[in-house]
Amino acid sequence: ELKVEQNPLFLSMQEGKNYTIYCNYSTTSDRLYWYRQDPGKSLESLFVLLSNGAVKQEGRLMASLDTKARLSTLHITAAVHDLSATYFCAGYSGGGSNYKLTFGKGTLLTVNP
Amino acid sequence: NAGVTQTPKFQVLKTGQSMTLQCAQDMNHNSMYWYRQDPGMGLRLIYYSASEGTTDKGEVPNGYNVSRLNKREFSLRLESAAPSQTSVYFCASSEVEGGSVGSPLHFGNGTRLTVT
Repeated sequence: ELKVEQNPLFLSMQEGKNYTIYCNYSTTSDRLYWYRQDPGKSLESLFVLLSNGAVKQEGRLMASLDTKARLSTLHITAAVHDLSATYFCAGYSGGGSNYKLTFGKGTLLTVNP
Repeated sequence: NAGVTQTPKFQVLKTGQSMTLQCAQDMNHNSMYWYRQDPGMGLRLIYYSASEGTTDKGEVPNGYNVSRLNKREFSLRLESAAPSQTSVYFCASSEVEGGSVGSPLHFGNGTRLTVT
């Protein structure tokens, strides 16, 4: 059964700094998802990484996938307060029409002025 | 566009009471999911339905039942609520494995359930 681990679980950053969130998963998964959740809100899809070496960027966030290392990273560049949220990675298992996502516990990111 | 709609948004139950959480999507998605979110636990899959007429257990199915009423609707029922079922429940939907798209899950706004 797929297990997904994120670290760190809590991250307090200063504005303008860079940092990386790590997502390790236990079994072969050829795709990886990143979501953002604001307090009291639903989850918003950020990135879908579909193959080994995939890299996607949106603003100050960049996600990558290394399927051989079973590792995905979410890199934050020059953090701003608006990035404060909880970030989840999720691994994919199953196939065809019968698939599901297994989520990590989330990383609570706080960006301080 | 409404996307994924969950009702109710909030609910308080007493131990032993039953209730049904409703979920409907208007994106013509085949797959639907129920997750629960607890502090420090991330999201855990309760049940999912790959298509109309099929359902499968997820990681934490005990104490729950589901019904895939039609392609749009997927309900979650608590037959005899327990305090351990206090949680935020999210419904989600996605297209069938979408090839290059990757079919991310689209989430509803959640139901906050408290069992006393």
